[in-house]
Amino acid sequence: SQTIHQWPATLVQPVGSPLSLECTVEGTSNPNLYWYRQAAGRGLQLLFYSVGIGQISSEVPQNLSASRPQDRQFILSSKKLLLSDSGFYLCAWSVGGNEQYFGPGTRLTVT
Amino acid sequence: AQSVTQLDSQVPVFEEAPVELRCNYSSSVSVYLFWYVQYPNQGLQLLLKYLSGSTLVKGINGFEAEFNKSQTSFHLRKPSVHISDTAEYFCAVSEIRGTLGRLYFGRGTQLTVWP
Repeated sequence: SQTIHQWPATLVQPVGSPLSLECTVEGTSNPNLYWYRQAAGRGLQLLFYSVGIGQISSEVPQNLSASRPQDRQFILSSKKLLLSDSGFYLCAWSVGGNEQYFGPGTRLTVT
Repeated sequence: AQSVTQLDSQVPVFEEAPVELRCNYSSSVSVYLFWYVQYPNQGLQLLLKYLSGSTLVKGINGFEAEFNKSQTSFHLRKPSVHISDTAEYFCAVSEIRGTLGRLYFGRGTQLTVWP
């Protein structure tokens, strides 16, 4: 069966520090991968999606970036965090263009 | 572009009462429809989906939803809720021939079940 992992589970970082969140999927090949951010009271915001290694599409311009170095690995990064980057970050995968399956999330607090 | 409207941001109900969470969407093309549930500090879990066929879809935890194409709605229902159903619920749509797997989410409905 397929599983999706995210780490770390929680993170507290100062403003201006770098960020790296990792997502890996097991049990499937060539998945579509997605990064979402969930801020309080604002629903889910799609940040990036990827249909293959090295193929990244950005939905919202911001100081975040994403990379997909391997088929089942998706990384969200920032060189300098802002207070507004605080939120709950969710990774998801899909195959075949239908439903998405979500990871457990990372709670990021920027202080 | 697609848009999804969840008409109620919060729905309080008493245990064992029926509940309906409303979802409307706008789209110029055919869509797939989904409901997800999110418990506090967890990821989203798929409750049910409509891809084709019968417009009444049954999901996990006793939930069901009905696709109404003429009203562009996909309301979620449960005949008798439990305290454990307290969570946030998200409606989502994707274009059948759109960007592969791109989902459009509503802003969510917080269901609170009181004893």
